[in-house]
Amino acid sequence: QVQLQESGPGLVKPSETLSLTCAVSGYSISSGYYWGWIRQPPGKGLEWIGSIYHSGSTYYNPSLKSRVTISVDTSKNQFSLKLSSVTAADTAVYYCAREHSSSYYFDYWGQGTLVTVSS
Amino acid sequence: QSALTQPASVSGSPGQSITISCTGTSSDVGSYNLVSWYQQHPGKAPKLMIYEVSKRPSGVSNRFSGSKSGNTASLTISGLQAEDEADYYCCSYAGSSTFEVFGTGTKVTVL
Repeated sequence: QVQLQESGPGLVKPSETLSLTCAVSGYSISSGYYWGWIRQPPGKGLEWIGSIYHSGSTYYNPSLKSRVTISVDTSKNQFSLKLSSVTAADTAVYYCAREHSSSYYFDYWGQGTLVTVSS
Repeated sequence: QSALTQPASVSGSPGQSITISCTGTSSDVGSYNLVSWYQQHPGKAPKLMIYEVSKRPSGVSNRFSGSKSGNTASLTISGLQAEDEADYYCCSYAGSSTFEVFGTGTKVTVL
């Protein structure tokens, strides 16, 4: 059973960098698939942030690309998200998920973690 | 790239069928058979219900079905049940520059 678990600070100050990690169990990241980040502001819809392959190949949402970095650590079977220069608009529940490459759908999701941007 | 357009809400009585539309453009929904649908209950993570327009993952009820015509994809829930009350989101591949875009979301209410 594939399981994903997000972790990281729940509160980030404006202009700082948001950092989250997604630990994967039940499946080796090195075996394939893309691994993605999606966010959901309170009371609003889903927004895809970006995705990474085990090789390190990435693709990002063009609207966030200048601020986003996604990396992978296959030795720890986890991948990470960094979002720089955050504002209150970046307050959201952040989800990590497994993505089927070439079909672009997410079949396993983490439970999500709320990150609030506030001073 | 704008979000795909979904109706804000759809309702139906138990046992009825409802359909949720997801309207995009010729650059996303209209160009690729790569539409997926997700169900989200309050406070929970989204759950994959349909992928590649009409395919159902193992374990998803056959009461859920997907289709596409032109720039609009649809999710139909037949034999509506109380447990189907949730938010539903579509998502489409939108090419190698934009990649993926979600819909605005639809709240399904079982009357």
